[in-house]
Amino acid sequence: AQSVAQPEDQVNVAEGNPLTVKCTYSVSGNPYLFWYVQYPNRGLQFLLKYITGDNLVKGSYGFEAEFNKSQTSFHLKKPSALVSDSALYFCAVRDIKTGANNLFFGTGTRLTVIP
Amino acid sequence: EPEVTQTPSHQVTQMGQEVILRCVPISNHLYFYWYRQILGQKVEFLVSFYNNEISEKSEIFDDQFSVERPDGSNFTLKIRSTKLEDSAMYFCASSVRPMNTEAFFGQGTRLTVV
Repeated sequence: AQSVAQPEDQVNVAEGNPLTVKCTYSVSGNPYLFWYVQYPNRGLQFLLKYITGDNLVKGSYGFEAEFNKSQTSFHLKKPSALVSDSALYFCAVRDIKTGANNLFFGTGTRLTVIP
Repeated sequence: EPEVTQTPSHQVTQMGQEVILRCVPISNHLYFYWYRQILGQKVEFLVSFYNNEISEKSEIFDDQFSVERPDGSNFTLKIRSTKLEDSAMYFCASSVRPMNTEAFFGQGTRLTVV
């Protein structure tokens, strides 16, 4: 069965510092991995995805994520945090082996960037 | 930039009543989805829809739920007899292809059952 774990409910980081939001996954086959961000009273906004190829993927707003197959992780990173990055971040996975089309989401990590 | 739109943004209904949540997916997308997020919990898959039929559904999507694409642009979720536990944010999403493309989400409809 597919699952996604975001071990931190809350991450606080000072503005200008690097940020990391952690995600680990479990699938029976190979994964398609996604990060979404949710701002207050808004829907889920796509940030980036890993499908195949280079393990380091770059996305919107300066975010990037590194796929690590041996650690089954897909941590979201940004070199220099902005106050406007404060939001709820969701990691999600699709399992290629099952062919299931739906996304399995983690529980979300609330990022707060402190001015 | 094209976007998924959902109406209404907030719906309050009495327990036992029927509600219809409406969505307009992105026009060239072929795959449509409903997800829900109970307050403070994670986003959960309900159903996916392709070629005018349900392609997958979760155990949450029981007989009280139904989906329909009544015309070429709208995609609706009907809850026949609402329960208190149906209170949640309901997100519609669409994608061009099923697996290796991202889904685009609407802003959500907050359903409150009283």
